[in-house]
Amino acid sequence: EVQLVESGGGLVQPGRSLRLSCAASGITFDNYAIHWVRQAPGKGLEWVSGISWTGGTIGFADSVKGRFTISRDNAKNSLYLQMNSLKTEDTALYYCAKSLGSGIHEGAYNYWGQGTLVTVSS
Amino acid sequence: QSALTQPPSASGSPGQSVTISCTGTSSDVGVYNYVSWYQQHPGKAPKLMIYEVSKRPSGVPDRFSGSKSGNTASLTVSGLQADDEADYYCSSYAGSNKHVFGTGTKVTVL
Repeated sequence: EVQLVESGGGLVQPGRSLRLSCAASGITFDNYAIHWVRQAPGKGLEWVSGISWTGGTIGFADSVKGRFTISRDNAKNSLYLQMNSLKTEDTALYYCAKSLGSGIHEGAYNYWGQGTLVTVSS
Repeated sequence: QSALTQPPSASGSPGQSVTISCTGTSSDVGVYNYVSWYQQHPGKAPKLMIYEVSKRPSGVPDRFSGSKSGNTASLTVSGLQADDEADYYCSSYAGSNKHVFGTGTKVTVL
C-alpha cells in the first residue's frame, strides 16, 4: 500500500522558518517526481514546488520562489520543503503528492498524503 | 502564473451529464498536454481522475472523460451519481518547471 505521510507543520510567527517532511512507503520512491501542493483554509489548491526523480530538476511557484527550497533523500524515501521568511498568506494545509512519472513536467499526482497544517501568525 | 479559470459551480440530476471547463492560456493549457483533473470530497485529499488531457488512471470509472480545445480543457462526468458531488480542480504544466491549478468547481448532484 502506498503511503505518503507529511510532518513538520505547526504554528510559526511571520518571518520565521519551518521544515516540512514527507515520508513515502510502498513505492520505489526514486522512480517518481514528487510535488508539494497547498490549500489555504476554505480555498482551492495551489501548486507550490516539485522535484524530479533524481532531484536534478526543481520548480517553484512565483509566490514562494526565493523563500522555499525543496529537496529529497532517495535513500530515506523522503521529501523535504524548507520554508523561510514565512508570511501569513503561507497558512495552509501542505500536501505532498507523487507524480505518475519521473519528470517534473508531468504533474498527474496519483497519490497524496493527508497533509500537514502550517499556520503563520503572530 | 495565474490560476486557470473554472466556473465556480455546476450541477445536474442523477443520471445526467455535467461538463466543467478549464480555461488557461497559450503558455499552459494551450501548449502542453499535461492537463490533469482532480476530485476532492470535503476534508479529504484530492484524487486524480484524468491525466494527460484524456487518460484515466486505473480504477476511475469511464463515466469521467477529458478533452481539450485550444486554451480550454474540459471534464465531463456522465451518468451523475450522488458520490460525484465534490470539488473538481484542473491542473496544467505551465513551462519553466511550474504547474498551475484551476480555481475549482463545486459540482452538486440535484
